[in-house]
Amino acid sequence: AQTVTQSQPEMSVQEAETVTLSCTYDTSENNYYLFWYKQPPSRQMILVIRQEAYKQQNATENRFSVNFQKAAKSFSLKISDSQLGDTAMYFCAFTRGGTSYGKLTFGQGTILTVHP
Amino acid sequence: GAGVSQSPSNKVTEKGKDVELRCDPISGHTALYWYRQSLGQGLEFLIYFQGNSAPDKSGLPSDRFSAERTGGSVSTLTIQRTQQEDSAVYLCASSPDRADEKLFFGSGTQLSVL
Repeated sequence: AQTVTQSQPEMSVQEAETVTLSCTYDTSENNYYLFWYKQPPSRQMILVIRQEAYKQQNATENRFSVNFQKAAKSFSLKISDSQLGDTAMYFCAFTRGGTSYGKLTFGQGTILTVHP
Repeated sequence: GAGVSQSPSNKVTEKGKDVELRCDPISGHTALYWYRQSLGQGLEFLIYFQGNSAPDKSGLPSDRFSAERTGGSVSTLTIQRTQQEDSAVYLCASSPDRADEKLFFGSGTQLSVL
């Protein structure tokens, strides 16, 4: 079974600064996908960024980037130029892919607060 | 519709009653997922529908939980004889018919069992 661990229950950052959220995972699979999801108070899970395990290049989406260390099974999210709208719960998630693509295993979440 | 729609947004029920939670996926999406988000267990996969295939029920926590998907569109999650530990947010997601397509989530139903 796969496990996903987020060791930071809460983080805070000043507006315009950079923050990094940590995630580690455990799997025996070689091919898989990793995600960061954002959940604002509206409860709707929003995909922030996706990384395919077979790709060595770290994924980036505007102000969001990841540091994917496959050997270490580490997948951290860096948010640059933090904005007030980034305040939310962030979840790291894993899936094996294929027909199980949507069966996500989530971490416990990190509450991020961006202060003005 | 524009996105995945779930109803009701909030539901309060008494222990022992049955509840039905509804999910309207994005039109044309063939895959539909139910997840549960609770304080104690975090986010857990419950059940997955893909087209006309038999659903993957591997995440359902007990036989009090069941789900159906009519006409390949709307899905209903039913919890019979609710217990206080069923209190959680129940999230639905849908995706198009491809193995690696993005999931679109609804805003969930907050279920409170008194």
